[in-house]
Amino acid sequence: DVKVTQSSRYLVKRTGEKVFLECVQDMDHENMFWYRQDPGLGLRLIYFSYDVKMKEKGDIPEGYSVSREKKERFSLILESASTNQTSMYLCASSLGRRLTEAFFGQGTRLTVV
Amino acid sequence: AQTVTQSQPEMSVQEAETVTLSCTYDTSESDYYLFWYKQPPSRQMILVIRQEAYKQQNATENRFSVNFQKAAKSFSLKISDSQLGDAAMYFCAYRSAGTSGTYKYIFGTGTRLKVLA
Repeated sequence: DVKVTQSSRYLVKRTGEKVFLECVQDMDHENMFWYRQDPGLGLRLIYFSYDVKMKEKGDIPEGYSVSREKKERFSLILESASTNQTSMYLCASSLGRRLTEAFFGQGTRLTVV
Repeated sequence: AQTVTQSQPEMSVQEAETVTLSCTYDTSESDYYLFWYKQPPSRQMILVIRQEAYKQQNATENRFSVNFQKAAKSFSLKISDSQLGDAAMYFCAYRSAGTSGTYKYIFGTGTRLKVLA
């Protein structure tokens, strides 16, 4: 089975802190994604990566950056956490070929105080 | 840019009955994929069903089926014989089949399904 693992299920950080959310997948997937989930807004794409060291902005990249140094790992970085970044963060991965679904991690609920 | 719209924030269904969740999308592409995902209280997103746009036949997976209307850009999910375990948030998603390499998934806002015993 494909496994996408996010480093934390719950996280509480202070305003201004630099926050790292880690995601690892074990199925050699080319594509990896970070989404933010908020009530009434669904899943919004922050960043995605289709290869090592490659990244593209999604719909809401402001305040975030990403790093993909190895194929299996995709990190989301909040440079200076703010309260409006309190949310659920979902990591996903997929193969690059036709008709493959995205596989998701269990989510990280981040609270910035 | 592609968009996905789920106009029903919440739906309820009696156990053993049938319910249909609506999804519409907007795209200028002719080749794409559509998905329905389920997110139970555990938060783990699970694929329910998928549809290739160039296939006219509607996809079916056990009690789950879709009504794919390409011209109307509509992709509804029908759940038959609803069970308590079907209670969850359901997301409709779109993915381009293009060759640009940008295989990002675009999600709707979700429909919360309640199953009444």
